[in-house]
Amino acid sequence: DTAVSQTPKYLVTQMGNDKSIKCEQNLGHDTMYWYKQDSKKFLKIMFSYNNKELIINETVPNRFSPKSPDKAHLNLHINSLELGDSAVYFCASSHRLIRGGPIYELYFGPGTRLTVT
Amino acid sequence: LAKTTQPISMDSYEGQEVNITCSHNNIATNDYITWYQQFPSQGPRFIIQGYKTKVTNEVASLFIPADRKSSTLSLPRVSLSDTAVYYCLVGDRTDKLIFGTGTRLQVFP
Repeated sequence: DTAVSQTPKYLVTQMGNDKSIKCEQNLGHDTMYWYKQDSKKFLKIMFSYNNKELIINETVPNRFSPKSPDKAHLNLHINSLELGDSAVYFCASSHRLIRGGPIYELYFGPGTRLTVT
Repeated sequence: LAKTTQPISMDSYEGQEVNITCSHNNIATNDYITWYQQFPSQGPRFIIQGYKTKVTNEVASLFIPADRKSSTLSLPRVSLSDTAVYYCLVGDRTDKLIFGTGTRLQVFP
């Protein structure tokens, strides 16, 4: 009965490779997010999708491409991996964003630790 | 976007009450104050949210003074399992919330 799940949990790869991280939520939420937590523990939003529509792209390199096949899934594909991409990537979901609306609780997945060598 | 300032770390002992204060001097009228908890190797977890005065749930209390320029998360009778990083966030939209460095709480037996 996991609310937000991510696969894989660990990902070790070499520079230049392409990799994907998958995320699924069974909470019935309309909005999903990708966050990146670096080695200094700063947690930054990368993307948010509202019912499969991209809402936010926080100056993330083009090598990162989110894909949302349906509102329960938000995958992250990374091309040409670089050393600086090493981090923990968290998927999250919440109720649908409404302009001027309330702040909804974010439900985070367990994270995917990406190590680029 | 309102910026928050909170202590980098705090130590406590089991059974004590812990108060973590967050400063947000430029909070906007529509901003809410939200606190998250993060255990090692896990994603953050929502603790509590408030706009003004006091909010209490089964986990914590949130005290917000009238000027809203600060807030205090109160954890009653902490246990070892409360050792975690606590983030204070301020914003008017879920996707505009900024996670800062947080406060690393260490609870000792």
